Amino acid sequence: DGGITQSPKYLFRKEGQNVTLSCEQNLNHDAMYWYRQDPGQGLRLIYYSQIVNDFQKGDIAEGYSVSREKKESFPLTVTSAQKNPTAFYLCASSKDSYEQYFGPGTRLTVT
Amino acid sequence: AQSVTQPDIHITVSEGASLELRCNYSYGATPYLFWYVQSPGQGLQLLLKYFSGDTLVQGIKGFEAEFKRSQSSFNLRKPSVHWSDAAEYFCAVESWGKLQFGAGTQVVVTP
Repeated sequence: DGGITQSPKYLFRKEGQNVTLSCEQNLNHDAMYWYRQDPGQGLRLIYYSQIVNDFQKGDIAEGYSVSREKKESFPLTVTSAQKNPTAFYLCASSKDSYEQYFGPGTRLTVT
Repeated sequence: AQSVTQPDIHITVSEGASLELRCNYSYGATPYLFWYVQSPGQGLQLLLKYFSGDTLVQGIKGFEAEFKRSQSSFNLRKPSVHWSDAAEYFCAVESWGKLQFGAGTQVVVTP
């Protein structure tokens, strides 16, 4: 079955540690996206990539980094510079930059 | 700047009753519009989309939405709500290859 996988579903980290969230897709989509979701704020775009080896900052990129070495994979690193990292993180992919398909999400808790 | 507004944060509806969720957008050209649904702790699922043509679009799960250019609106409707429709609903508009999301409307279905 084609789809988007995110792992792990729940992630716990101590403050000051970097953590990497995985996102893999087998839909053969060119574009991939990372969003952050907080209660009452909808989804906010962190980073996006429209082609391998290229990515752009979204609205809230500070404290995050990404890489796009393979078409199928778009990992997100939450660095210690992110002041409030506890949130629900969603990855999405798109064939044509319009209709996006979402993964199940990773809930990150930093204490 | 483009923006999406969902005026209702929370709606309670009885099972079997009709449902209408409001969405207003601010955009200079004819937008590409989407409605997504999210069950608790899950990713987003696309309900329907509008690109052009007929302003009344049909989606999955018995939902429909109507694009009204004069009112800058794209309201989502369902004639008879089922308990399984309890979820959070997001309106989104495409802008330069990215999606701008509204803050979401939480729908509670009562027996």
